[in-house]
Amino acid sequence: AAGVIQSPRHLIKEKRETATLKCYPIPRHDTVYWYQQGPGQDPQFLISFYEKMQSDKGSIPDRFSAQQFSDYHSELNMSSLELGDSALYFCASSLATGTGDEKLFFGSGTQLSVL
Amino acid sequence: AQTVTQSQPEMSVQEAETVTLSCTYDTSESDYYLFWYKQPPSRQMILVIRQEAYKQQNATENRFSVNFQKAAKSFSLKISDSQLGDAAMYFCAYRSVRGGSNYKLTFGKGTLLTVNP
Repeated sequence: AAGVIQSPRHLIKEKRETATLKCYPIPRHDTVYWYQQGPGQDPQFLISFYEKMQSDKGSIPDRFSAQQFSDYHSELNMSSLELGDSALYFCASSLATGTGDEKLFFGSGTQLSVL
Repeated sequence: AQTVTQSQPEMSVQEAETVTLSCTYDTSESDYYLFWYKQPPSRQMILVIRQEAYKQQNATENRFSVNFQKAAKSFSLKISDSQLGDAAMYFCAYRSVRGGSNYKLTFGKGTLLTVNP
């Protein structure tokens, strides 16, 4: 079965550079979530999209932006990278049911290292 | 805002023995979901078990079971017949059922489980 695909798996950037992370949800899933997990930390919710519209926003820096495209894939754009942005970035997708019963599927994550 | 607390940063268990990981949470909502996720060294986030708050019956998945105490806001995970492959970081997570089409997870800090041969 198809899973959530994230690319790239690993990314190395210098401070002040920009990075773009991509997430391809499971086919027919209409909702995408982004999480950031720092070293030794729990995942923190960044932002989510439902049907190409932002549905919720968490602790996402203003330097970050994201969107969901017509094919439901999502991109997380990160500018003016800082050392503290080094983390594992997870994408998760689900099919909205409106009942709260939806199941969330995680990708394998993108490991971003800022040097 | 909901909070999830895992008071055991690390736990260890002998292979084939049973271990219980603790989780408490704080919420004013009456309906919600609770989860245990496993994160092995590969860092893939794997769902272990899910509990719906309106169901009194504790969820079980093979060797994994939960003790859900709604009034006490407690949600512990019991792993029976522990195996070496169970070694991982375990996260307890909460999800509201309100919020339209957004059901973000709130995670605890995690418990690192070591399984000794």
